[in-house]
Amino acid sequence: GQQLNQSPQSMFIQEGEDVSMNCTSSSIFNTWLWYKQDPGEGPVLLIALYKAGELTSNGRLTAQFGITRKDSFLNISASIPSDVGIYFCAGRKRDDKIIFGKGTRLHILP
Amino acid sequence: NAGVTQTPKFQVLKTGQSMTLQCAQDMNHEYMSWYRQDPGMGLRLIHYSVGAGITDQGEVPNGYNVSRSTTEDFPLRLLSAAPSQTSVYFCASSRRLIANTGELFFGEGSRLTVL
Repeated sequence: GQQLNQSPQSMFIQEGEDVSMNCTSSSIFNTWLWYKQDPGEGPVLLIALYKAGELTSNGRLTAQFGITRKDSFLNISASIPSDVGIYFCAGRKRDDKIIFGKGTRLHILP
Repeated sequence: NAGVTQTPKFQVLKTGQSMTLQCAQDMNHEYMSWYRQDPGMGLRLIHYSVGAGITDQGEVPNGYNVSRSTTEDFPLRLLSAAPSQTSVYFCASSRRLIANTGELFFGEGSRLTVL
């Protein structure tokens, strides 16, 4: 089964609110990745993290690679309508294998 | 720029039929992989390869075969299709971990229905 626990499973927020989601695992990963998927398309990379403790930003998105190498979080500040979609965390292991969490579906209320 | 090309985009099969999903990339990526995506389950790794002649199982390999005879191609074979294999399949490629990059480049997906 999947080794990445991603939460929350879904979120309903107001436009302008901040969003936080995270992934945890019992395994160690060498790289943490965060992707976004829009309907009918493949996932697109948002942020890649390569070192334990690393904090990286991409516009309104900020992600961190946990010190234990077993977790990561993604924050989105001041959400806008185009942030709607499914967000996936993914971890890359030493053998190059990349596995994904089950996703967080973000809904923005009008 | 072709990137990762998957064919076919849509396919309907009857139970017991076999078929091959094709995947090709033109970026000289060593790593290639197949995922299936089902509602609420995220992307689950079926098989992956870190180079020509090398393949390994992912999280859900049963019922699928792969081969990697060239760097560019990584076909996924369904030996005897079952309704449980109805899904959207994504092929993805990247450079290897030692290149300090994790970005996966995805194909557009193949929607498979098994009746």
